Amino acid sequence: QSALTQPASVSGSPGQSITISCTGTSSDVGGYNYVSWYQHHPGKAPKLMIYDVSKRPSGVSNRFSGSKSGNTASLTISGLQAEDEADYYCTSYTSSSTPRVFGGGTKLTVL
Amino acid sequence: QVQLVESGGGVVQPGTSLRLSCAASGFTFSSYGMHWVRQAPGKGLEWVAVIWYDETNTYYADSVKGRFTISRDNSKNTLYLQMNSLRAADTAVYYCAREGFGGELLYWGQGTLVTVSS
Repeated sequence: QSALTQPASVSGSPGQSITISCTGTSSDVGGYNYVSWYQHHPGKAPKLMIYDVSKRPSGVSNRFSGSKSGNTASLTISGLQAEDEADYYCTSYTSSSTPRVFGGGTKLTVL
Repeated sequence: QVQLVESGGGVVQPGTSLRLSCAASGFTFSSYGMHWVRQAPGKGLEWVAVIWYDETNTYYADSVKGRFTISRDNSKNTLYLQMNSLRAADTAVYYCAREGFGGELLYWGQGTLVTVSS
């Protein structure tokens, strides 16, 4: 099962908005509304930011939003803050024998 | 509150075995699917395995299939990962994670480091 495709890095200035894409296939991202996004600061536990494509868990800032079009899901962070600097991973349910697949990760730099 | 605490990591030689544990508290352990996810040094997150809440089904990443076994003891609120025939490529921080209601990985432990080296 191939990993979902994410850009290796994105950057933005404080207050700006950025979008991270996550491209899969009709067997994963395109076939199910089960895309999740995780924030990972090095040395810490990953944190769920978005699930079911666009839902936010309790306690996650509404600056984080998710969407999907076809085989590509997206995470948008608005009003960038320094603490948003982290690695971000998407994951999706898949119809293959391995029911979860992660994206390769995107390093977000807040300039 | 929900707590997941991994243990059992360490330095082992290639070809040997290791068993990781994940002690869960703060929720009804037997009601949720549980996963293992790993991160090799300098690499991204890699999903490893899942076990359903009632142990009826398990699934594995191709990279560990046939070598790793995920299991759970609902009476002890503990998740396990038995890792056999370890390779250098298995060197990673291993996280256990609890599903939310939709299969998302809602809660994560802090991870335990496994180093496979001669």
